Amino acid sequence: AQSVTQLGSHVSVSEGALVLLRCNYSSSVPPYLFWYVQYPNQGLQLLLKYTSAATLVKGINGFEAEFKKSETSFHLTKPSAHMRDAAEYFCAVKDQAGTALIFGKGTTLSVSS
Amino acid sequence: EAGVAQSPRYKIIEKRQSVAFWCNPISGHATLYWYQQILGQGPKLLIQFQNNGVVDDSQLPKDRFSAERLKGVDSTLKIQPAKLEDSAVYLCASSSYPGTQETQYFGPGTRLLVL
Repeated sequence: AQSVTQLGSHVSVSEGALVLLRCNYSSSVPPYLFWYVQYPNQGLQLLLKYTSAATLVKGINGFEAEFKKSETSFHLTKPSAHMRDAAEYFCAVKDQAGTALIFGKGTTLSVSS
Repeated sequence: EAGVAQSPRYKIIEKRQSVAFWCNPISGHATLYWYQQILGQGPKLLIQFQNNGVVDDSQLPKDRFSAERLKGVDSTLKIQPAKLEDSAVYLCASSSYPGTQETQYFGPGTRLLVL
C-alpha cells in the first residue's frame, strides 16, 4: 500500500529564513505526489503537484518541491519564509489504480518575526 | 468560480445522536469525496462518488455512516448513532474527473464535536 511520511510534526523558522518540510513516500509504482496547505478553519488548498513531467515542481506562493526517486522524497521548500506562510502542510500520494489521496500526518509551520 | 460549499461549519452533539453534513461541489465536477480529518492527523477518505455512483467506500464505517449523492450533484453524509471517536473535521472535495493527476478542491469542512 502506498503511504507518505512527513518528518517533523512542527517546524519553526524566522521570517526570511529557508523553509524545508520533509516528505518521504512509499510506492511500488511511480507515484503522483501533492502538497496541500491548510490555514486555520479552512479547507485544503493545493500548493503543487508532481506528475512526472519534471522533477522540480514550482507551486504557488513561492513554494517548490523536488522529486527524488533514489531517496523516495518530495520535500517542500521556500527560500524565504513570510508570516503568512504559517499553516499546516500536508504531503499526499495518489496511486495509479485508484484516485483517493493518501495524506501524511501534516507538519505545522510557525514563522516568527 | 464558486468553490466547494459545506454546511454546517460547526456541530456539537451528544453521543448516540445523529447528525448530517451537506456538500455542494464545484459546478460540473463529476467526482465527489468525503474525508475525515481527526485532530493531529491527515485527512482519510471515507467515500468517493462518480456522478451518483459509489466508487470507493471501503473505509466508511457502514454500521453508522451513510452517504448519498442522489442527483449526482450535492451530497449528504450522515452519522447515526455518533460515537465520541467521530469527533473530527469532515472535508468534502470535488474534481472534474477521477484521474490520478486531477486536482481535488476542498471545502472549508464541518467541525464535529461529539460529547
